[in-house]
Amino acid sequence: EIVLTQSPGTLSLSPGEGATLSCRASQSLTSNFFAWYQQRPGQAPRLLIYGASSRATGIPDRFSGSGSGTDFTLTISRLEPEDFAVYYCQHYGPSQYSFGQGTKLEIK
Amino acid sequence: QVQLQESGPGLVKPSETLSLTCTVSGGSIIAYFWSWIRQPAGKGLEWIGHIYSSGNTNYNASLKRRVTMSVDRSNNHFSLKLTSVTAADTAVYYCARVTMIRGFPQYCFDFWGPGIPVTVSS
Repeated sequence: EIVLTQSPGTLSLSPGEGATLSCRASQSLTSNFFAWYQQRPGQAPRLLIYGASSRATGIPDRFSGSGSGTDFTLTISRLEPEDFAVYYCQHYGPSQYSFGQGTKLEIK
Repeated sequence: QVQLQESGPGLVKPSETLSLTCTVSGGSIIAYFWSWIRQPAGKGLEWIGHIYSSGNTNYNASLKRRVTMSVDRSNNHFSLKLTSVTAADTAVYYCARVTMIRGFPQYCFDFWGPGIPVTVSS
């Protein structure tokens, strides 16, 4: 079973700043089925990034994803007020989906 | 725009079976994978299983013994049954569509229902 560990647990930043969120896999991922989601309170998650680095439809270009192997990063440049939420990473393989435990991005 | 909507009882007794349905509108259920994902209050996301429109399924190994998913192509909906529930199954249950790009699944979720809270209690 692949375990995804996100860091930090909570990130406190101000609007306009940049954010870097990390997700580390317990073993090297052999497929490119890696995604990031944003979840605001009381809402379903929203797909931001798939294939580790491709933006989903309608996602602003201030969101970008990178990484391979065991280390993946979600970068948000120029934080907007609506970006403060919980972010999850997710992987598929082999034949199972796994999610990270989440990073809460809060307003400083 | 594809929309998903979960429906079913919000309260289930311990040891009984949780049954939920997800109705898909604004698009066809055909040629897609469809998933159930749950989230206990204040906690993270747990994948339960997915089903292809043909009826082929794949379940979370930790829940496999208790989960059954089915699809109704004529009515554009799919369903979840989770047997022998306990308080640990209390969560918000989401249905979601697996992303397809040029006919190939990306094994992530691009459309979600709003979620349905389910409580297991006597």
